[in-house]
Amino acid sequence: EVQLVQSGAEVKKPGESLKISCKGSGYSFTNYWIGWVRQMPGKGLEWMGIIYPGDSDTRYSPSFQGQVTISADKSISTAYLQWSSLKASDTAMYYCVSQNYYYGSGTYEYYFDYWGQGTLVTVSS
Amino acid sequence: QSVLTQPPSVSGAPGQRVTISCTGSSSNIGAGYDVHWYQQLPGTAPRLLIYGNSNRPSGVPDRFSGSKSGTSASLAITGLQAEDEADYYCQSYDSSLSGSRVFGGGTKLTVL
Repeated sequence: EVQLVQSGAEVKKPGESLKISCKGSGYSFTNYWIGWVRQMPGKGLEWMGIIYPGDSDTRYSPSFQGQVTISADKSISTAYLQWSSLKASDTAMYYCVSQNYYYGSGTYEYYFDYWGQGTLVTVSS
Repeated sequence: QSVLTQPPSVSGAPGQRVTISCTGSSSNIGAGYDVHWYQQLPGTAPRLLIYGNSNRPSGVPDRFSGSKSGTSASLAITGLQAEDEADYYCQSYDSSLSGSRVFGGGTKLTVL
């Protein structure tokens, strides 16, 4: 059974750093892209970026480029999302997702077949 | 503003059929990229509902179906049940946003 298990809720102050994690099991972690999705309070889903644990190739949404860092440690099947200096606007639920793909009409298509349970990050002074 | 546009809310009585639309543009759905749908029950993580426009993962009831035409896609739910009350999101790929996977803004389904 595929599982993505995320680290627990965090409460931080503005300016602090943070690294949250997502451990994959039940599948070949190295061979599937794993990404992060943000959901701000009462709002919709936003794709942040994705990493291929096999070679650490990383892609970011333009909206999040330079704001966060995505990394992975394939030796322990774990992906990470980190901030160097948190802002109050980073308060949100963060989900890790495994990305599946297929070859569609002339191009690869990507979708998220498994989701972690979410990590709530609260940034407040 | 989301790249993909969904109605904020839809509603229906038990047993009825409802549809949720997802409208894109020439750089995403209109460019031929497929649409995928997710269901988020209250207080839970989203789950995959439909992939590749119309394919259901195992475990998803056949009351849920998807379709795509032109720059839009639709999710249909027949035989509406109370447990279907949730937020629904469409997702695709946008070629103008540097490899971005994009979501719709979400639609809240209320079962009356």
